[in-house]
Amino acid sequence: QSVLTQPPSVSGAPGQRATISCTGSSSNIGAGYDVHWYQQLPGTAPKLLVYGDNKRPSGVPDRFSGSKSGTSGSLAITGLQAEDEADYYCQSYDTSLSAYVFGTGTKVTVL
Amino acid sequence: QAQLVQTGAEVKKPGASVTVSCKASGYSFTSYYVHWVRQAPGQGLEWMGIINCSGGSTSYAQKFRGRVTMTRDTPTKTVYMELRSLTSADTAVYYCVRAPGESEPFDIWGQGTMVAVSS
Repeated sequence: QSVLTQPPSVSGAPGQRATISCTGSSSNIGAGYDVHWYQQLPGTAPKLLVYGDNKRPSGVPDRFSGSKSGTSGSLAITGLQAEDEADYYCQSYDTSLSAYVFGTGTKVTVL
Repeated sequence: QAQLVQTGAEVKKPGASVTVSCKASGYSFTSYYVHWVRQAPGQGLEWMGIINCSGGSTSYAQKFRGRVTMTRDTPTKTVYMELRSLTSADTAVYYCVRAPGESEPFDIWGQGTMVAVSS
C-alpha cells in the first residue's frame, strides 16, 4: 500500500487548469523530504516532470508547476493539452519505512 | 546523452529466479546511484531498492529483503537485479532508474523489462 495518496483521476477541457494532490504524513513529506513528480505516457517509462518540490528539468514546459505545504505536495497543469493525458505519480522518502515511496497515481484525462 | 538500456522480456516459472541487467552510457557511472522500480500490470510504481554504483552498497525495501540482490559491474557500467522465488505476483515491468544522490530525484529511466511468471 502506498503511503502517499493521490486522487485516482482528474480531468479538464483543453486550456483549463488541473491540479493533483499528493497527501503524505509526518514521516515523509511533513518531515521535509522533497516531493518529485513523474509523468507516464501510455506504454512508456515514467519521466521526471518536477523535482525538489517545485523545480522543472530542462525541456519541461512551464505549464507544469509543483508546490508543497505541510504534509502534502501538489502538481498543477495549466493550459491543458491533449498530450498531457497520462498517469502522474508523486514520490518522496519515508523515514519510518527507510524507503522511497510513490503516490497511488493519478490519471489525467483531457476532455 | 545519458541512458540506461535494459535486457529483454523474460518468462519464468514459479519458484525460479530472474536477473535483469541495466547498462549505463553517456555519464560517469560511479557518480550516480541506481534504483529498481517495478510496475505490475495496470498498477502503480513500487520501489524495490537502491545501489551505490561507486561503492556497491545497497538498501532494499523491506518487502524484498532476502529475495532480491542488486549488484554492479564497474568496467561494463552495468547494474544487475536478481529476484528469487518468483510467484505470479512478481509479474511486472521492472525499471532501472538513475539518481544523482540518495536524496535526489529519479532522473533517467530505463525502458523497462517485462517479467512474466507463469506455470
